Amino acid sequence: DITMTQSPDSLAVSLGERATINCKSSQSVLNTSNNKNYLVWYQQKPGQPPKLLISWASTRESGVPDRFSGSGSGTDFTLTISNLQAEDVAVYYCQQYYGVPRTFGQGTKVEIK
Amino acid sequence: QVQLVQSGAEVKKPGSSVRVSCKASGGASASLAIGWVRQAPGQGPEWMGGINPMFGTTIYAQKFQVRLTITADKSTNTVFMELRSLTSDDSAVYYCAKPPYYDRSGPFYFDLWGQGTLVTVSS
Repeated sequence: DITMTQSPDSLAVSLGERATINCKSSQSVLNTSNNKNYLVWYQQKPGQPPKLLISWASTRESGVPDRFSGSGSGTDFTLTISNLQAEDVAVYYCQQYYGVPRTFGQGTKVEIK
Repeated sequence: QVQLVQSGAEVKKPGSSVRVSCKASGGASASLAIGWVRQAPGQGPEWMGGINPMFGTTIYAQKFQVRLTITADKSTNTVFMELRSLTSDDSAVYYCAKPPYYDRSGPFYFDLWGQGTLVTVSS
């Protein structure tokens, strides 16, 4: 199984500042045949299912604010929330879909400082 | 607008089975591929498997291979997840979810989720 490790486990950021979440996979999730990274980011708020934010490591889903951005390739990925808003308080998960089973990171909790 | 509506909360005894349904509504295709993910309290999500009714194929995580069955009823646009031989470790919220892509390796990721079904396993 591909292990997804996120860091940090939690972080507190002031409103309007930047939050950076890292996700590392135990093996590359880059498909060299199409040069795509098989990684997504989700946001989950209490009592709700996860919400898809970014697919293919860096493609923002329709309706997702442009303060959310994804980057990285191979085994190291980053979700950046610029200009943090109060509604961004949530737990964020990465998930790989390169291997079976699909696997998720343990989550990063973002709070307001 | 497709919606996924799941069945209600369940309380089960250890050793028993649970069956959770997931009905697609709002113009959904009868062949909607669906995946299942569970989430124990305070934990990250865990991928269980999926079904593609269009091709009649299922895929399961090795961890659940022996005791998990996912089926689909095309006539009612409903997918079912049955987990057997329950233990307290199976207490979790179970989600069905729709993948935008599904191939031989299963659902890629999920862009639409059901509301979740809480399954509690307790003696």
